[in-house]
Amino acid sequence: TQLLEQSPQFLSIQEGENLTVYCNSSSVFSSLQWYRQEPGEGPVLLVTVVTGGEVKKLKRLTFQFGDARKDSSLHITAAQPGDTGLYLCAGASNQFYFGTGTSLTVIP
Amino acid sequence: DSGVTQTPKHLITATGQRVTLRCSPRSGDLSVYWYQQSLDQGLQFLIQYYNGEERAKGNILERFSAQQFPDLHSELNLSSLELGDSALYFCASSAGRPGNIQYFGAGTRLSVL
Repeated sequence: TQLLEQSPQFLSIQEGENLTVYCNSSSVFSSLQWYRQEPGEGPVLLVTVVTGGEVKKLKRLTFQFGDARKDSSLHITAAQPGDTGLYLCAGASNQFYFGTGTSLTVIP
Repeated sequence: DSGVTQTPKHLITATGQRVTLRCSPRSGDLSVYWYQQSLDQGLQFLIQYYNGEERAKGNILERFSAQQFPDLHSELNLSSLELGDSALYFCASSAGRPGNIQYFGAGTRLSVL
């Protein structure tokens, strides 16, 4: 059973466009993390959100944790080819659960 | 560089064989996690060790086992390998408390032929 569902599963956009990736669950998490993974590499942590309603910004990336701590979103403004990769959300409760992943391709 | 070291980077073997994957955690991290990543299953949690003791178990097959040694490095043993075991195997380490940030190694790509 996949606790964390991400959407969309695949996303291909032109450079300069904006996009939003969603991470949804019916479970409550004490914290939620977003990772980015490039081919042949392990996931790299982007951000951790711990408070319901929390918003964190990392340059062109904006992360939001839902009020009920069950869902999260990642918004990228003016996407660049370097943003290409697999984006994974992960929720922490008694253990770590990873989302299904969103594969993003930004076309120059 | 995450500070987590995994060896080997690639492994090619035949069905029915046994292999051992090795992981050295970041300096100071007490917890090690093992994950399997395949195209159709995504990133699946296998098992966690904390300071030498098993802490949590996920979707780990009985043919698979792991251990963490006194120097905190960990090994994942995969036996009676099947074609479907071909995947990327990642190790991650953290300080060990629930919700602590996990830092991932570069992974071992296992191909079972």
